[in-house]
Amino acid sequence: QVQLVESGGGVVQPGGSLRLSCAASGFFFSNYDMSWVRQAPGKGLEWVAVITYDGTTENYADSVKGRFTISRDKSKNTLYLQMHSLRAEDTAVYYCVKPRAEMSTVNFDFWGQGTLVAVSS
Amino acid sequence: QSALTQPRSVSGSPGQSVTISCTGSTSDVGGYGYVSWYQQHPGKTPQLMIYDVTKRPSGVPDRFSGSKSGNTASLTISGLQAEDEAQYYCCSYAGSYTVIFGGGTKLTVL
Repeated sequence: QVQLVESGGGVVQPGGSLRLSCAASGFFFSNYDMSWVRQAPGKGLEWVAVITYDGTTENYADSVKGRFTISRDKSKNTLYLQMHSLRAEDTAVYYCVKPRAEMSTVNFDFWGQGTLVAVSS
Repeated sequence: QSALTQPRSVSGSPGQSVTISCTGSTSDVGGYGYVSWYQQHPGKTPQLMIYDVTKRPSGVPDRFSGSKSGNTASLTISGLQAEDEAQYYCCSYAGSYTVIFGGGTKLTVL
């Protein structure tokens, strides 16, 4: 069965960096565009970034562009999110999400349990 | 990248129908057939309820249906049940590998 297991969250000071990982299993990881979606405490869902199935294209929400980098390692079936210059407003649970269809950017049918990033001094 | 517009809350009695709207623009909802809806209970991860505007994943009750007219998508839940009480989010493709969510709607079953 599909599993997405995030790790790497924690408490970090403003301006700091953190790298999140998402270990994927139960599906052919290399055939799927993968995204990160975040949810600030008590707030709604916000799409953060996507990387295409072949790693050739990335895109980001305006709120994180230039500070976050999404990447993937197909040999490890792992998705990453490198976060720099963290701000208080980046505090959220970060979800790794998989779309229903291969080579599709939308329709997220599996969500990891999430990893909490707290930016605080 | 402005969030899609959803009502903050809707409510209905058991057995009734409710509709949640999701308004965007020609750059997202109106421009693509990729609107999805997610249900999130407190403390749980979101669950896909509707995709590609009108399609239901297996396991989702047929009480849930989706539609779109112009720049506004809608989720209709008929025969409301207590377990439908949750937060609902719409989501749309916005071109060039961009995805946008709505602000969320809290459904209360009276």
